[in-house]
Amino acid sequence: SAVISQKPSRDICQRGTSLTIQCQVDSQVTMMFWYRQQPGQSLTLIATANQGSEATYESGFVIDKFPISRPNLTFSTLTVSNMSPEDSSIYLCSVHLERDTQYFGPGTRLTVL
Amino acid sequence: QKEVEQNSGPLSVPEGAIASLNCTYSDRGSQSFFWYRQYSGKSPELIMSIYSNGDKEDGRFTAQLNKASQYVSLLIRDSQPSDSATYLCAVKAFVFKTIFGAGTRLFVKA
Repeated sequence: SAVISQKPSRDICQRGTSLTIQCQVDSQVTMMFWYRQQPGQSLTLIATANQGSEATYESGFVIDKFPISRPNLTFSTLTVSNMSPEDSSIYLCSVHLERDTQYFGPGTRLTVL
Repeated sequence: QKEVEQNSGPLSVPEGAIASLNCTYSDRGSQSFFWYRQYSGKSPELIMSIYSNGDKEDGRFTAQLNKASQYVSLLIRDSQPSDSATYLCAVKAFVFKTIFGAGTRLFVKA
């Protein structure tokens, strides 16, 4: 397994501001994933982040709204830009390890007022 | 059309009973199948993986896979109140992409 940490664990933000979420893994991984989970819903993949290349975004998510950095094999950030109350959600980073198993960080609970 | 389907529940079972959770998927090329448990306010936790047809047992948990029927299930024997959570079925259908079901809420009554 992997030990994945995220910062911040939660935040309350004002409409129109931006928040950057950090994800740190205790081992080197090729790919990191960012998910959103809205209340009572399942996981929605936002984007896949590879080290050294631009992130690949899923349908409905754009780089201007959710810019991602992946400076090395153990770290990634997701920024939620120009936030609105609809962005209130839990944001999770995730990695693939052996045999496609996927592990999740503890999540960042975001509330936008 | 959803690619991984689960009954949203809630599924309620008495303590000590067997809880049966089911999942169907649409991509016949899927190779890897997973069950995650998610407690309220927590992130998903991997509890079982299965890659070939048949049963795989791990403690009180048994995963069952039938690729011909595109069906995956999770049995929890001797259910405990601590098993009360949402169970997510996940299927790796494309390279590097795992598809998650909406989850089944399980309540185990003491």
